Amino acid sequence: SQKIEQNSEALNIQEGKTATLTCNYTNYSPAYLQWYRQDPGRGPVFLLLIRENEKEKRKERLKVTFDTTLKQSLFHITASQPADSATYLCALASGNTPLVFGKGTRLSVIA
Amino acid sequence: EAGVVQSPRYKIIEKKQPVAFWCNPISGHNTLYWYLQNLGQGPELLIRYENEEAVDDSQLPKDRFSAERLKGVDSTLKIQPAELGDSAVYLCASSPPGTHTEAFFGQGTRLTVV
Repeated sequence: SQKIEQNSEALNIQEGKTATLTCNYTNYSPAYLQWYRQDPGRGPVFLLLIRENEKEKRKERLKVTFDTTLKQSLFHITASQPADSATYLCALASGNTPLVFGKGTRLSVIA
Repeated sequence: EAGVVQSPRYKIIEKKQPVAFWCNPISGHNTLYWYLQNLGQGPELLIRYENEEAVDDSQLPKDRFSAERLKGVDSTLKIQPAELGDSAVYLCASSPPGTHTEAFFGQGTRLTVV
């Protein structure tokens, strides 16, 4: 069956360091992958989208990579700040199928 | 521009009672989703609409859950009767026309069944 794994439930890093979150998937051929941020008590907020034919996407301090051979996406936050503390969700879709989400990784940036 | 609006924000009901959630998507968004999110988990799709048509409802427990999207705008999700295991956050999201577009989420309705 299709499976999306965000292999860290929680990640603690020091302020100023780069946070790297991982999303792996199996039995899936996504056309694109998205990353969302979710704060407690709120709905997810879209951050970045990367397509299957793209290797890397950047937006300000955020960088996403997509390796369809490894079936993996990496999400990086450079120069992390305490305000970056949140849960980060990856989501996959292909063709006309709806978004399927991973469980998320809870990031804590410590000052 | 207003985002996705959901109501109520919180709901506490006794088991076996009915409950309904309402969602107003962003204007012009033809795709509407209802997701369920348990604590510590990612959102799980319940149903997806393209305009008025439900195109993905395989994960909707049809014995107790129902949804409608009249006129392809607002949507209502109903549970009758509610069970203890239905306690969760119910999220509504919408997307603009086109493929590969992001989903815009509402704040969700936190349901507690006691």
